[in-house]
Formats: sequence, structure tokens, C-alpha cells
Amino acid sequence: QSALTQPASVSGSPGQSLTISCTGTRSDVGSYNLVSWYQQHPGKAPKLMIYEGSKRPSGVSNRFSGSKSGNTASLTVSGLQAEDEADYYCYSYAGSSTYVFGTGTKVTVL
Amino acid sequence: QVQLVESGGGVVQTGRSLRLSCAASGFTFSSYAMHWVRQAPGKGLEWVALISHDGSNKYYADSVKGRFTISRDNSRNTLYLQMNSLTAEDTARYYCARDPGWELLRYYFDFWGQGTLVTVSS
Repeated sequence: QSALTQPASVSGSPGQSLTISCTGTRSDVGSYNLVSWYQQHPGKAPKLMIYEGSKRPSGVSNRFSGSKSGNTASLTVSGLQAEDEADYYCYSYAGSSTYVFGTGTKVTVL
Repeated sequence: QVQLVESGGGVVQTGRSLRLSCAASGFTFSSYAMHWVRQAPGKGLEWVALISHDGSNKYYADSVKGRFTISRDNSRNTLYLQMNSLTAEDTARYYCARDPGWELLRYYFDFWGQGTLVTVSS
């Protein structure tokens, strides 16, 4: 149950795009299309942004998109806005009824 | 609307026990699997435990296996986490979260509570 690997921080200017990676193994990210992404503002509960790799829940801006290649999933935020500044976590099923989060990424809007 | 409200957190001594509760409303609680997820101060999220919609299946992270027990009372729309043999490493905010699958797993969380803080102190 090792945590999925995310960059500790990424930053971008308003209007730009940025991508957060989430690297796992053949046993988790690579085996299942079950990666989800969560946004967490300070002092708040996490919020679902992407599920099943690339699906966006109702109410989540279409500026957020998800993808996967091999053992790495990615979350892309386009048209960066000040309100996107938060921590982001990926999450995946890891087989044998185990589940794992990513290490988390702090997004800073410059 | 879906609401999840955790309670039962507090300060507890090393080696003691604590039981957390999560009161659910706004949906058919008995048809959804539920999770506990924790977050140590200033740290990332950690999955803790999962219980199926009917309570027949329970799964745990290695870090809590044998010490924590997840359960639910569908007649009371309440999820529980019994935590025994607590250590400083269990200090965290504990969230309950819903899996959105109707009587099956979808493998993500669509609703979260606000969490309850557990502090284990010697």
C-alpha cells in the first residue's frame, strides 16, 4: 500500500494550464481505470473533481480534465484561476480490496 | 441533500480507545458502501477502512488492521470506527466518505463529512 507519487508543488499564472502527475505501479494505476482526483482547500473537506480516470462530476468546471498513460494518471487544470489554488490528491484502487491516495500536490496560482 | 456529520473525536492517551461516529442523512444509507479516511496534521490523505452497504464486507489499511473496526447501523443511518490501542501516529482528522455505487462499489468518494479530530497524547 505505498502512496502514489505526486509532485509536491506546481504553480502557474492565471489563464495558464498546468498538469499534475500521479505515478503508481502495474498493480494500481496501471491495472484499473479507477483513478479519482480530489481538491482540498485549507481547513475544508476534499472535493471530488474527476472519477474513473477522466469523468467529471456535475458541477465541476470543464477546465479540469483527467487522463492516464501506463502507470501514470494526470490531472490538467486549464485557464488557471485564483480559486484553483489548493491541494490536490489522486486516489486509486490497488487490488485485493486495498486503496491508495497520492502524496498530494500543492497548486499555487502566481 | 446528502450530509455526513462525524463526531466522537477528542484527546485520548496512548494505548486507549475511542469510537467515532458518522451520522448520514439525505440518502438511502443502507444502499451505499462507506469509508473512513484520515489526514494527519499538515499531511496527506490516508484511506483507513471500507464497509459494504450491508456491513457484510470490511477492509482495512495495513496501518490499522487488528486495531480498528469499522461497523454500521443501517437502522440508525450511522457509520462507526472503533479505534483501539491508539498511538501518536493515529493523530489525525478522520473523515467519513460515501462510495456512490448503489449496492456495489464505484471506487471513489462523492460526498465527505467535515471530519472529527483525534489527538493521541502521552
